[in-house]
Formats: sequence, structure tokens, C-alpha cells
Amino acid sequence: SQTIHQWPATLVQPVGSPLSLECTVEGTSNPNLYWYRQAAGRGLQLLFYSVGIGQISSEVPQNLSASRPQDRQFILSSKKLLLSDSGFYLCAWSVKLGGGSIEAFFGQGTRLTVV
Amino acid sequence: KQEVTQIPAALSVPEGENLVLNCSFTDSAIYNLQWFRQDPGKGLTSLLLIQSSQREQTSGRLNASLDKSSGRSTLYIAASQPGDSATYLCAVRGFNFGNEKLTFGTGTRLTIIP
Repeated sequence: SQTIHQWPATLVQPVGSPLSLECTVEGTSNPNLYWYRQAAGRGLQLLFYSVGIGQISSEVPQNLSASRPQDRQFILSSKKLLLSDSGFYLCAWSVKLGGGSIEAFFGQGTRLTVV
Repeated sequence: KQEVTQIPAALSVPEGENLVLNCSFTDSAIYNLQWFRQDPGKGLTSLLLIQSSQREQTSGRLNASLDKSSGRSTLYIAASQPGDSATYLCAVRGFNFGNEKLTFGTGTRLTIIP
């Protein structure tokens, strides 16, 4: 069966510090991978998605970047955190079948607080 | 641009009641629709997935319907239990190949009163 791991679960970082959140998927190959952010009282906002190794698409211009160094590894990074980067970050994957996805599955999330 | 709306934003009902959560979307050209559950501080758990060609899906006490032409989906929960308390999110997926974006609603926070 497929599983998705996301860490850390919580993180408190000072303004201006770097960030690295990691997500890995097991039990599947060549998945689509996603990073979402959920701000308090708001819906999920898609930040980045990847359809393959080294292929990253950004949805929202921001202080963050993403990388996919391996097929089942997705990393969210920042060189210098801003207060506005605080939020709940969720990694997700979906199966690709032909040209479309079937279903999306989410990790347990990382609560990031920038102080 | 696809927009997804969920009404009401919050709902409280006594245990044992049947209830309906609503989701509407502006662009009917969807590939599928997915309902999720989110417990406080946790990730999303997939509940039901409805392909655009389907009218409904059932899993246990949950039944989701889809009326693509009118841009609506409902999640029906039968015989509600306190453990059903959570935020329920619906999300629609468009037809952009290689761009498998889910557009989410802001959710309905459900509280089941024992």
C-alpha cells in the first residue's frame, strides 16, 4: 500500500532563517506531487506541483521554492522566512493514469510558525 | 477560474441526525470531485471520489452525489456520531493534463453534539 511521510510535524523558526520541509511517498512510482498551504480561516492554496523529477511548477509567486531530487521525494524550501510564511503546509500525491489523476492523498502536515 | 464554495461554514447537529453538506463549483468542466475530512491540526483524509461521469458514490454512512451540469455536490452523512466532528472539504479537479490541480472549498466545520 502507498504511504506518504511528511516532517517535521511542527516547526518554529525565526524570521530570516532558512526552511526545509521534506515529503516522501512509498509504494508508488512516478506520482504527481504537491505542496499546499493552509492559512488560518482560509482554504488550501496550491504552492507547487511536480509531474516528474526536476519538474516543478509554481502556482503563486512567493518566498518559497520546491525541488524534486528523486521520484518520490518533494522538498519545500526557503532561504529567508517571513512572518507571512506561517501556516500549515501539506504535501500530497496523486496517481497518474494516462493523462489524468485519479485521487489525491495527503500527508499529516507541518505547522510552521515564524517568530 | 474555478471557484468552489461550501455552505454552511459551520454546522452543529445532535447525534443520530442525518445531515447534508453542500459544495458548489463555477466551472462544470471537471474531471472528478473529491471529498475530504480534516481533523484539527491534521492532514486531509480522502472520503469519497466521484468521477465526472458518475452521479454518486457511497462508503458506509457516507454518500456523495454529483450534479455536474448545475455545479453541485452534496455529502450525506447518515446517523451522525460524535466521531464525525471534523472539517469537511470538497475539491474539484480540472481537465488540464499534466496539471492535476485540485481547487478546494473553504470547508464546513461539523460538530456532532452527544
